[in-house]
Amino acid sequence: NAGVTQTPKFRILKIGQSMTLQCTQDMNHNYMYWYRQDPGMGLKLIYYSVGAGITDKGEVPNGYNVSRSTTEDFPLRLELAAPSQTSVYFCASSFRGGLEAFFGQGTRLTVV
Amino acid sequence: DQQVKQNSPSLSVQEGRISILNCDYTNSMFDYFLWYKKYPAEGPTFLISISSIKDKNEDGRFTVFLNKSAKHLSLHIVPSQPGDSAVYFCAASAKTGANNLFFGTGTRLTVIP
Repeated sequence: NAGVTQTPKFRILKIGQSMTLQCTQDMNHNYMYWYRQDPGMGLKLIYYSVGAGITDKGEVPNGYNVSRSTTEDFPLRLELAAPSQTSVYFCASSFRGGLEAFFGQGTRLTVV
Repeated sequence: DQQVKQNSPSLSVQEGRISILNCDYTNSMFDYFLWYKKYPAEGPTFLISISSIKDKNEDGRFTVFLNKSAKHLSLHIVPSQPGDSAVYFCAASAKTGANNLFFGTGTRLTVIP
């Protein structure tokens, strides 16, 4: 029973590089989310999706893109990485919006 | 603009005693509240929730209290155990049309054996 799986767990990027953070869930949840957590801060929503083919911006979307081609997968794309994107990224899913969400283990990203 | 606030970054409690974690919110549209627990190098895990139609919800050693007039909620853990040592996040949503959980900054609980 995997739940929400994120890869990679750690990554170091150079300024200007791009990468994709992978997220997959096996609970058949319609809602999926990407959050970032900066040191000493709460989680901030980057993007979310209410179903395959539907995505929308959260509180802090700049510098990121997402796609949702299947119910299971919700990758997060970073284009032109910047030091301000150094953070821990969490993917989550839920049965309905605003309710209990299940989180992945996180990806610790450092941009140098 | 932090809509959910946890003003105590840390709390230490003796094993067997009660732990009380506090959370305040500013948005009167919030009507559903959750507590998450997070261990190092893991994602947050859901602990307990409460709807605004209630003022208390209990699940084993964990009880959440909601005071809507004060826009305040608290999580009580009794008795506290060393395995409860973690960071606790308060979160809130406006269920109607909600697509987001708003999180507090977390409180690190240390339960001393």
